[in-house]
Amino acid sequence: SAVISQKPSRDICQRGTSLTIQCQVDSQVTMMFWYRQQPGQSLTLIATANQGSEATYESGFVIDKFPISRPNLTFSTLTVSNMSPEDSSIYLCSVDSQPNSYGYTFGSGTRLTVV
Amino acid sequence: QKEVEQNSGPLSVPEGAIASLNCTYSDRVSQSFFWYRQYSGKSPELIMSIYSNGDKEDGRFTAQLNKASQYVSLLIRDSQPSDSATYLCAVNIKGRRSQGNLIFGKGTKLSVKP
Repeated sequence: SAVISQKPSRDICQRGTSLTIQCQVDSQVTMMFWYRQQPGQSLTLIATANQGSEATYESGFVIDKFPISRPNLTFSTLTVSNMSPEDSSIYLCSVDSQPNSYGYTFGSGTRLTVV
Repeated sequence: QKEVEQNSGPLSVPEGAIASLNCTYSDRVSQSFFWYRQYSGKSPELIMSIYSNGDKEDGRFTAQLNKASQYVSLLIRDSQPSDSATYLCAVNIKGRRSQGNLIFGKGTKLSVKP
């Protein structure tokens, strides 16, 4: 299955600033997914990133707050903009583990704390 | 109605026992079902997938699916302390805008006591 490198692994940020999270995959993948896991909660899908087109956002998530780039088939970034303490969470990228299986491999996650 | 439901636990079992984890889902057209294991502070790790009614075994793990009852379970035989983690049930919801994405339950925390 794919191997994903995600960075940074953690960060402490000031309110009002932005943080960009990067994910690099060791193979080409069509779709990359960005999830958020708030403390004590399960994973919530933020958006799906397709190469060559705009990301598809889930209900409750908007591009202005979470802009996503997908410049090629192995790389994607998620930016958390104008951060507030409510954005403190773990952010995870993921890809399909095998073609058409819909089971996912996850990056190691980014633990974000906004102060 | 929540799309994927799990008992949050904690579920505590003695070492060597069978741990039984359960999950129900609301979307009748769901086709793919997954169990992930998440250790504290780590990202989820896929341990089982199941697509057809019945049982699927992989080592100490058995996944069971009953589409008529919209129910999927995970059995862990000969439970070990290293199995202590949160187990997430995930369902692929067909027809959603973003094909291929998964809906996760909140997870069941399993504790295996030596």
